[in-house]
Amino acid sequence: EPEVTQTPSHQVTQMGQEVILRCVPISNHLYFYWYRQILGQKVEFLVSFYNNEISEKSEIFDDQFSVERPDGSNFTLKIRSTKLEDSAMYFCASQTDPKEQYFGPGTRLTVT
Amino acid sequence: SQKIEQNSEALNIQEGKTATLTCNYTNYSPAYLQWYRQDPGRGPVFLLLIRENEKEKRKERLKVTFDTTLKQSLFHITASQPADSATYLCALSFSGGYNKLIFGAGTRLAVHP
Repeated sequence: EPEVTQTPSHQVTQMGQEVILRCVPISNHLYFYWYRQILGQKVEFLVSFYNNEISEKSEIFDDQFSVERPDGSNFTLKIRSTKLEDSAMYFCASQTDPKEQYFGPGTRLTVT
Repeated sequence: SQKIEQNSEALNIQEGKTATLTCNYTNYSPAYLQWYRQDPGRGPVFLLLIRENEKEKRKERLKVTFDTTLKQSLFHITASQPADSATYLCALSFSGGYNKLIFGAGTRLAVHP
């Protein structure tokens, strides 16, 4: 069964460094998402992406964040200058009708 | 303010019994309500989706109800098994082709042999 994959599974970085989290969505899906989950808290929406552009973003998704689908298969989330509070699990998800989303296993980001 | 509330306490039940989880929401008008399972350190896994014009949906041992007047969904797992132990997340989504999920905090279910 097709699945969403994410790399790396764990990323440790220093405050102020740039990180890129990578995702390979399910191949025939059209809508792509990033969510994050701070330890012990709820899953929070960051951004949705459709037709090669951002369709919606949350307040969390500020100028430090960007997304890209560079080659038609990968979907990346970049954090330009990481902060301690960016430490969280980051989940990629993809979707086609009728509305359920398929999540990847997540990348645990630790900012020190 | 907008809220999604799920049973905040963990739910402990005996194997074979029916688990019932609750999701209540305030100041949202979702087109869809979805239930996901999340195991520790893993991504959410889709279980069931119910539309605003549907009252009930079933899939194997799972049943979900949706009452848009009460703004509540109930999620039932019948003949529960220890393997059902996980956190169950309620999520709202809205009309439109691309739409974010708004998640509740989840209810942790523990099924004891």
